[in-house]
Amino acid sequence: AQRVTQPEKLLSVFKGAPVELKCNYSYSGSPELFWYVQYSRQRLQLLLRHISRESIKGFTADLNKGETSFHLKKPFAQEEDSAMYYCALNRMDSSYKLIFGSGTRLLVRP
Amino acid sequence: GAVVSQHPSWVICKSGTSVKIECRSLDFQATTMFWYRQFPKQSLMLMATSNEGSKATYEQGVEKDKFLINHASLTLSTLTVTSAHPEDSSFYICSARAPRGSGANVLTFGAGSRLTVL
Repeated sequence: AQRVTQPEKLLSVFKGAPVELKCNYSYSGSPELFWYVQYSRQRLQLLLRHISRESIKGFTADLNKGETSFHLKKPFAQEEDSAMYYCALNRMDSSYKLIFGSGTRLLVRP
Repeated sequence: GAVVSQHPSWVICKSGTSVKIECRSLDFQATTMFWYRQFPKQSLMLMATSNEGSKATYEQGVEKDKFLINHASLTLSTLTVTSAHPEDSSFYICSARAPRGSGANVLTFGAGSRLTVL
């Protein structure tokens, strides 16, 4: 069964500290992974996708098929990074269904 | 960029009544839309896939007679919660696949609709 696991419900760091939000997945095929972010009082929006191999707002995420992980990292957290972060898996079939993890709330303290 | 509009953003209804939530894709056509449900402090749970011009496909455990989905045009999908009960109170979020060329597997989300059933 497809599953996305985000083990941390809350991650609290100080401004300038490194951040790593963990995400593990289980999927028998070749998945496509995403990170979505939801800032306070805003809608869910795409942060980055593994296919793009890009850095958005200083965040990067590398797909590790051996460890079935897609952790989100940022070397120096900013207060404006405080938000809810969801890891999501897209089954590489015709359904285009996204399966979300339970989310991790990142709180960056001044 | 692609925008998805949801209406209403907040609705309160009496138990036993039906409520319709609209999801519109603005400036792009969406042959497929998705409806999610989110409980407080929990993740998004996919309820159903709304397909333009055909029946919606529901996820396991979601009552299709309870949650009626209609996708009559390329820019509009509606979710009707029929005979609503307090346990149907939740945050309902729709999404649409982004237009071709912007990443076919990227979803654009609506702002959500909070339903409270008294």
